Amino acid sequence: GEDVEQSLFLSVREGDSSVINCTYTDSSSTYLYWYKQEPGAGLQLLTYIFSNMDMKQDQRLTVLLNKKDKHLSLRIADTQTGDSAIYFCAESPTGRRALTFGSGTRLQVQP
Amino acid sequence: GAGVSQSPSNKVTEKGKDVELRCDPISGHTALYWYRQSLGQGLEFLIYFQGNSAPDKSGLPSDRFSAERTGGSVSTLTIQRTQQEDSAVYLCASGATSGNIQYFGAGTRLSVL
Repeated sequence: GEDVEQSLFLSVREGDSSVINCTYTDSSSTYLYWYKQEPGAGLQLLTYIFSNMDMKQDQRLTVLLNKKDKHLSLRIADTQTGDSAIYFCAESPTGRRALTFGSGTRLQVQP
Repeated sequence: GAGVSQSPSNKVTEKGKDVELRCDPISGHTALYWYRQSLGQGLEFLIYFQGNSAPDKSGLPSDRFSAERTGGSVSTLTIQRTQQEDSAVYLCASGATSGNIQYFGAGTRLSVL
C-alpha cells in the first residue's frame, strides 16, 4: 500500500501488555519511529529503531521490526493509565528527511 | 530552552487575515521541520530546513504558505489570506545534522473563523 497503516483503537486493562502494530511502505527506510501524543500536546518521541536491527528494548517498551513484511510493532509491558494516548508509527523514506506518519492508534487503558 | 518551543500555543483568526507562527528549535540543531496535523489529513509534512541549504518546500499546500529561517535558528511559518481549511495544529520539529531523529514542539493550534 501507499500509506503507513495502523489500527485505530486498542483497549487494554491496567497491568496487561499492549501491542500496537504498524505496516510501513518503504523497505529502505533507515529509521522507524514510535511517537506518543497526549491530548492537547505535541508528539513525544518514544523510541526509534535503526533498520539493521530486529528488536530494541527500552524499559517497558519493546520494538520489533520485520523488514521482510515491513511490519513494526510496539509492545508496552505492564500498561498503566498514564500510557493512554495516541501512538504514531513513522518511517523515514529513502532520500527524504520528512517523516511519513500513520494515522495513529488510540490506546485506552482501563483500570 | 531544553526543547522545541512554539508560539503562540493557540491562535484564532478571521478568514482572510495573515498569521505568523514561530518555532525555536533545540539549541545546536541544524534541521528544522514544519508539519500540519488536521482531522481529515493526519500528519502532513510542510517544509524542511537544513543549515544554509535551500529548503525542501515540497509539502507546502499552496502559495499562501511560506516559511523562513533566520540565522539558522528561529523559523516563522506564514499563512496569508487564511481559509477555514487552514485550521489545524502546526507542529515544528528539530534535529541534529546526522541521523534523522526529530523532536517536536507542543504545536500551535490555529482556528480560522
